[in-house]
Amino acid sequence: GAGVSQSPSNKVTEKGKDVELRCDPISGHTALYWYRQSLGQGLEFLIYFQGNSAPDKSGLPSDRFSAERTGGSVSTLTIQRTQQEDSAVYLCASSSMTGLGTEAFFGQGTRLTVV
Amino acid sequence: AQSVAQPEDQVNVAEGNPLTVKCTYSVSGNPYLFWYVQYPNRGLQFLLKYITGDNLVKGSYGFEAEFNKSQTSFHLKKPSALVSDSALYFCAVRVGDGTYKYIFGTGTRLKVLA
Repeated sequence: GAGVSQSPSNKVTEKGKDVELRCDPISGHTALYWYRQSLGQGLEFLIYFQGNSAPDKSGLPSDRFSAERTGGSVSTLTIQRTQQEDSAVYLCASSSMTGLGTEAFFGQGTRLTVV
Repeated sequence: AQSVAQPEDQVNVAEGNPLTVKCTYSVSGNPYLFWYVQYPNRGLQFLLKYITGDNLVKGSYGFEAEFNKSQTSFHLKKPSALVSDSALYFCAVRVGDGTYKYIFGTGTRLKVLA
């Protein structure tokens, strides 16, 4: 596709419910990232996928968070039993290579509000 | 631990004046440095990056950044600010420590006044 696509753009959910956020990376990009952006905070790394390698899950804040990437393309970030502190903008990014000098391209994000 | 600092939460500048948005980093090893811009309700857009070579790098929309190894800084600059440059700017770093994540600063809000 032309860019990284995320859906939904906005999600309001009740505390305790599960949510799924979707990311379609740029076609051909092998690396995919999830970040969380909270008000007044920088971007918090959550998880990184690269090809068929085991993902780097070191940024997931709790076991309520999980992510998968099917077929090396689409990724889903799942938050179970949502809490109010999970409210944030969730950003997905992809890049074409693992080279450290490669920039990532970001989607527009999913704004999650837990009420 | 690897980190990036953006010491200013907000920078105000008059249209037509030069602008600087500051970024310093603390890493072990050679840094790969990036600047991104975020407009309201949008994702991050890549502006420019430093990999190696010339310390002054040029990017999109007339922006440039200067890598200073001794001061561990990578400040974003533009000779003449536009009102449309008003946005949130993020500095990021990657290092070759076995991880591939981008480490971001907390962002600087730039406001260009007409």
